[in-house]
Amino acid sequence: AQRVTQPEKLLSVFKGAPVELKCNYSYSGSPELFWYVQYSRQRLQLLLRHISRESIKGFTADLNKGETSFHLKKPFAQEEDSAMYYCALSGGSYIPTFGRGTSLIVHP
Amino acid sequence: ETGVTQSPTHLIKTRGQQVTLRCSSQSGHNTVSWYQQALGQGPQFIFQYYREEENGRGNFPPRFSGLQFPNYSSELNVNALELDDSALYLCASSLDRGGEKLFFGSGTQLSVL
Repeated sequence: AQRVTQPEKLLSVFKGAPVELKCNYSYSGSPELFWYVQYSRQRLQLLLRHISRESIKGFTADLNKGETSFHLKKPFAQEEDSAMYYCALSGGSYIPTFGRGTSLIVHP
Repeated sequence: ETGVTQSPTHLIKTRGQQVTLRCSSQSGHNTVSWYQQALGQGPQFIFQYYREEENGRGNFPPRFSGLQFPNYSSELNVNALELDDSALYLCASSLDRGGEKLFFGSGTQLSVL
């Protein structure tokens, strides 16, 4: 079975502060991990995937197989980063399983 | 490039009724997945269709069923509606079934009274 845990329901920071949204997963094989984001009044969309090893909108995420984590980080938060963030895992079935989401609020 | 569209956007039904939700996938995407998202929760996988055949199913009872058509459209049918079925239903299409990027629709908000 595959499971994704996002321990924080809400994360509140001030503009310019570092941000780390936590994601832990449970899967016995080699996972594919994703971060999806939903901005206010918009649909859910892909932010980044671990196999791409890219930085999108200043966000990065590193897969740590030892700690089974895929935390999302940004060194300096911006107000426009306020959104719901979902971590997702795709295992052998190739069907993404989503975490419950973390609401990020960036205050001015 | 057309996006994923879902209809209707909102729906109110009573317990015991049946409902059909519709989704039009992005052109060229042969895989569609349906998710149920309850308030304050992440999307829960219902099932996936690949080239008109069910390719995987989540922990949902048989009264949740689906169809995928050759024209990239699909349906989610729910029979014998229960109050707990009230949720946002999301459709997501992808180019293929192998861990590809999902393109989501805006969802159908279903309320069961």
